[in-house]
Amino acid sequence: EDQVTQSPEALRLQEGESSSLNCSYTVSGLRGLFWYRQDPGKGPEFLFTLYSAGEEKEKERLKATLTKKESFLHITAPKPEDSATYLCAVRASGTYKYIFGTGTRLKVLA
Amino acid sequence: DGGITQSPKYLFRKEGQNVTLSCEQNLNHDAMYWYRQDPGQGLRLIYYSQIVNDFQKGDIAEGYSVSREKKESFPLTVTSAQKNPTAFYLCASSIDLTPGLAGDLQETQYFGPGTRLLVL
Repeated sequence: EDQVTQSPEALRLQEGESSSLNCSYTVSGLRGLFWYRQDPGKGPEFLFTLYSAGEEKEKERLKATLTKKESFLHITAPKPEDSATYLCAVRASGTYKYIFGTGTRLKVLA
Repeated sequence: DGGITQSPKYLFRKEGQNVTLSCEQNLNHDAMYWYRQDPGQGLRLIYYSQIVNDFQKGDIAEGYSVSREKKESFPLTVTSAQKNPTAFYLCASSIDLTPGLAGDLQETQYFGPGTRLLVL
């Protein structure tokens, strides 16, 4: 069964304190792994798509990496405005379904 | 501006009442989705549609119904059979892209702003 597990559930960081969020997945043939940011009461906002092991993508203070079993979202020198819930999802080959993890709630303190 | 719109932002349902949530997209995407989000939980798939006049049940379809008569529209009806409808409902759309052939475009789902459904 396709499955996504995110850890930790919640993370508190001081401003400037770098860290990583983990997304472990099991899927029968990966078409893509996706990272989203969600602010309270809003729809998820797309961050990255990763297609194959070894791929990396960066955007401002965020960097996403992918292996055959997991993905990491690295946050370098975070700022309070990076506080949000970060969601990870996978899509298996041959299907239109996206499987989501439960997210990591990130709080960055000034 | 291209995007996905959902209405209303807040919706109140009385016992025994059916209510319909609207979702419209002008991104020319073929696939559309409905998710339910409860506090502390991830997104759970209710229904999805790969093409007009076709849709499939997701993981929690009981008590819900959909239609896909137009490419741009994918309304969700929460029926009286759904006994615990209070949640945040998200609509999304997506298009298939071939990695390496899509330029800077990345395959993903694009989400609407959500509708919060509350029971009176």
